[in-house]
Amino acid sequence: AQKITQTQPGMFVQEKEAVTLDCTYDTSDPSYGLFWYKQPSSGEMIFLIYQGSYDQQNATEGRYSLNFQKARKSANLVISASQLGDSAMYFCAMSFGWDTGRRALTFGSGTRLQVQP
Amino acid sequence: ETGVTQTPRHLVMGMTNKKSLKCEQHLGHNAMYWYKQSAKKPLELMFVYNFKEQTENNSVPSRFSPECPNSSHLFLHLHTLQPEDSALYLCASSQEAEVSGEAFFGQGTRLTVV
Repeated sequence: AQKITQTQPGMFVQEKEAVTLDCTYDTSDPSYGLFWYKQPSSGEMIFLIYQGSYDQQNATEGRYSLNFQKARKSANLVISASQLGDSAMYFCAMSFGWDTGRRALTFGSGTRLQVQP
Repeated sequence: ETGVTQTPRHLVMGMTNKKSLKCEQHLGHNAMYWYKQSAKKPLELMFVYNFKEQTENNSVPSRFSPECPNSSHLFLHLHTLQPEDSALYLCASSQEAEVSGEAFFGQGTRLTVV
C-alpha cells in the first residue's frame, strides 16, 4: 500500500533562514508523482512543487526546492530565505499509478511551520 | 473567477438534514475530486471523477452521495450524517495524464454536524 510519512508535526525557523521539511514515501509503483502543498489558516491547499519519479534533477520553484532521493524514498522540501508568510501547514503528497494518467493524491499528516521574526 | 470555487464555505446541519456541497472549476480540467480533512487524520481521498464518470470511491459510506453532471461541476449530497463526519471538505481538479497534473483546490466547506 502507498503511504506518505511526515515525521515532524511542528517546526520553527527564523525569518530569512532555510528550513527542510521531511517526507518519506512507500510504494511499489515504478512511476509516481510527488507534490508539496501549503495550507494557510484559511484552509485552501496551495500547490508548491512537483517531482516525477523519472526526473533526474531535483525540482525547483523560486524559493522552494525538492530534495529527491529515490533510493531512500524521500522527497524533502527545502524553503530558502523563510518569510513570515510561510507560516502554514505543509503537506507532502504522492500520486501513484502515474503511467495510467491517474493524478489523485495520497497525503501525509503534515508539518506545521512557524516562521519567527 | 477563481480556479476552483466551493459553496457554501461553512455549513451546520443536523443529523436528519439533507444538504449539498457544490464545487465548480474554471480550469478546463478533466478530473475532479472530493477530499475530507478531519482534525486528527491526513487528508483522505473520497471520490474521483474523470470526464464526469466516477472512477474511484474510497470506501465512502453511502450517506455521502457524489454527483458530477459535467466536467466543471461536482456535488456532494449529504444525508443522515454523524457527528464524526464534521470536517473540512475539499474539492479539487486536475488534468489527468498531464506531465505534472497538479491538483488545484477550492477553499473548502467547513461542515459541522450537530
